[in-house]
Amino acid sequence: KAGVTQTPRYLIKTRGQQVTLSCSPISGHRSVSWYQQTPGQGLQFLFEYFSETQRNKGNFPGRFSGRQFSNSRSEMNVSTLELGDSALYLCASSPLSPEGSPLHFGNGTRLTVT
Amino acid sequence: AQSVTQPDIHITVSEGASLELRCNYSYGATPYLFWYVQSPGQGLQLLLKYFSGDTLVQGIKGFEAEFKRSQSSFNLRKPSVHWSDAAEYFCAVGGGATNKLIFGTGTLLAVQP
Repeated sequence: KAGVTQTPRYLIKTRGQQVTLSCSPISGHRSVSWYQQTPGQGLQFLFEYFSETQRNKGNFPGRFSGRQFSNSRSEMNVSTLELGDSALYLCASSPLSPEGSPLHFGNGTRLTVT
Repeated sequence: AQSVTQPDIHITVSEGASLELRCNYSYGATPYLFWYVQSPGQGLQLLLKYFSGDTLVQGIKGFEAEFKRSQSSFNLRKPSVHWSDAAEYFCAVGGGATNKLIFGTGTLLAVQP
């Protein structure tokens, strides 16, 4: 099976712009989660989608949003970019049953805001 | 409050030596515990997981971890470290009907020849 695919791998944006990141989960996985990784804050949960519905949300401002499509692919959007949004954004998918199912991570999208 | 503590930020071991990475957690409900490894520029790879049952769990690459409820710990061990084990290791806790994981700050492992 192909793993979790994230595109693009690298992105450079200017402060104030917006950005959309894409994630294709492992085939058959219906849950997709997003995490932000920075040197200062570590790995932080952004949100989780299951069957096109947001099931859980982390403590991030409303500039961060996401969605999931009927084929389980997911996108996250960050509007009005700030320098502090520079990070590695990781997408993870897991199977239908959520109880303790391990997350399978993609290689991430490295976002740099200048 | 829910949290994961990895007290060692950086550890250096010699190749062939044993390894133990510490992890302590605080979680209100029955926890699911995970260890992930991250190589530079890569995502996270699952090493092992604990849901219930046997408190000693085996993972990939020769790693194992022991769940100790009384100590709220889930330490990762390997009897003989290989140079390819150099990476950053993350402990994480989750639970219930959600895939929200709380991660520790990570332990960066260096392996000396």
